[in-house]
Amino acid sequence: KAGVTQTPRYLIKTRGQQVTLSCSPISGHRSVSWYQQTPGQGLQFLFEYFSETQRNKGNFPGRFSGRQFSNSRSEMNVSTLELGDSALYLCASRFDRGQSPLHFGNGTRLTVT
Amino acid sequence: QKEVEQNSGPLSVPEGAIASLNCTYSDRGSQSFFWYRQYSGKSPELIMSIYSNGDKEDGRFTAQLNKASQYVSLLIRDSQPSDSATYLCAVSGRGNNRLAFGKGNQVVVIP
Repeated sequence: KAGVTQTPRYLIKTRGQQVTLSCSPISGHRSVSWYQQTPGQGLQFLFEYFSETQRNKGNFPGRFSGRQFSNSRSEMNVSTLELGDSALYLCASRFDRGQSPLHFGNGTRLTVT
Repeated sequence: QKEVEQNSGPLSVPEGAIASLNCTYSDRGSQSFFWYRQYSGKSPELIMSIYSNGDKEDGRFTAQLNKASQYVSLLIRDSQPSDSATYLCAVSGRGNNRLAFGKGNQVVVIP
C-alpha cells in the first residue's frame, strides 16, 4: 500500500507570493491533517480535513488555508508569504477521526526569501 | 501550560544501554498516545501507540502510560546507533481528536 505522498518536495518562494502544496493520503484514509515543523516551534497543527470538511483548525492566520477533495486528496495554500513561513510542511493521514495514529508523508520544504 | 511537554535535553547513551524518554500532557481526558521517531531531514515515523494504563512492548521498545499522573514514557532497550534520532510524543486530545506533539527529545547512541 502506497504511503502518503506530498508534492513538491522542495519549494523556494519570494515574500508576498503564494504557494499551494498537495497531499495524497494512504488509500482508504479519509482524514488528512497538516502540520508545520520548525526548529524552534516543533510540530504545529494547521488543520484537519475529513470527508471534505475542515473539522479542526490550529492557531494560524487566515493566510493559511486548505481543502480536501472527494477522493480525499488535500491541498493547503499559503498566501502573502512571509519569511517566517519557511518550514517543513507535513501532511498526515489516518483511517478515521478517532484514535488511530497519523501516518506522515515526506513533507514539503518551503523556503521563503 | 503546554499541551505536551518533553523537557529533557539531548540524551546520549552507550550502545546496548537503555534510553528512557518521558512526556507529560495537560488534557486529563486524552485517550490516545503515540511515539514517533524522526531522523534528521526525514518525516516522523510511528513506532508505538498506547491507549490504556500500563506497559506495551514491541520489540526493543516499551511504552508506559500513567493517566492518573498524566505521563507517558518510552524505553529503548539494547540501544543501537540506528536509534539515534529525535523522538516525538503525541497525544490525542478529548473532543477534537487532533494530535498535539511535544518538541521532541534527541537521542544519540554512542558506539
